[in-house]
Amino acid sequence: EVQLLESGGGLVQPGGSLRLSCAVSGFTFSSYTMSWVRQAPGKGLEWVSSISANGASTDYADSVKGRFTFSRDNSKNTLYLQMSNLRVDDTAVYYCARTALPVGHFDSWGQGTLVTVSS
Amino acid sequence: DIQMTQSPSTLSASVGDRVTITCRASQSVSSWLAWYQQKPGKAPKILIYKASNLESGVPSRFSGSGSGTEFTLTISSLQPDDFATYYCQEYKIYPLTFGGGTKVEIK
Repeated sequence: EVQLLESGGGLVQPGGSLRLSCAVSGFTFSSYTMSWVRQAPGKGLEWVSSISANGASTDYADSVKGRFTFSRDNSKNTLYLQMSNLRVDDTAVYYCARTALPVGHFDSWGQGTLVTVSS
Repeated sequence: DIQMTQSPSTLSASVGDRVTITCRASQSVSSWLAWYQQKPGKAPKILIYKASNLESGVPSRFSGSGSGTEFTLTISSLQPDDFATYYCQEYKIYPLTFGGGTKVEIK
């Protein structure tokens, strides 16, 4: 069974930093592109970042570029999202998601972790 | 960036109704379009990929059509479990973008 489990969310002050993790199981992690998608309270879905299967390539939404860093450890089946210089509008539930092979939709999602940026 | 526009934003319907949701892309995405269902407090769930392919395990009352810039999600006979919010998403090119969502409510 495919499982994705996010952790690391919480309350942080504006300008602060936080690192999210996503532990995965049930599939060959090193074969898949993975992504983060977020959802602000009461709002729609927003793609944040994607990382290639080997971790060599990343893409970011303009809203987080230069502040967030997406990485992965294929030996630990874990994703990391390092978030810095956080802003109030980064407040959201952050989901990790698997990109289906060979096409590119998100076929599996974690349950999400809430990040609240507030003073 | 490609903009995805869904309509309507809210839809009131009854059990048994045929429901259609539209998604328009600001430029062609070919068939690189997915539809997701999301219920309150839950992660999104894939329904349709590559515009018209039904994800395994998804009931056949869901169908998708379209290509290029115009797409539709149809629920042939709305069931109580289908009251939720639906999102389209293009995955032709980064940045990946979602539509604003369509909330299907009980009439």
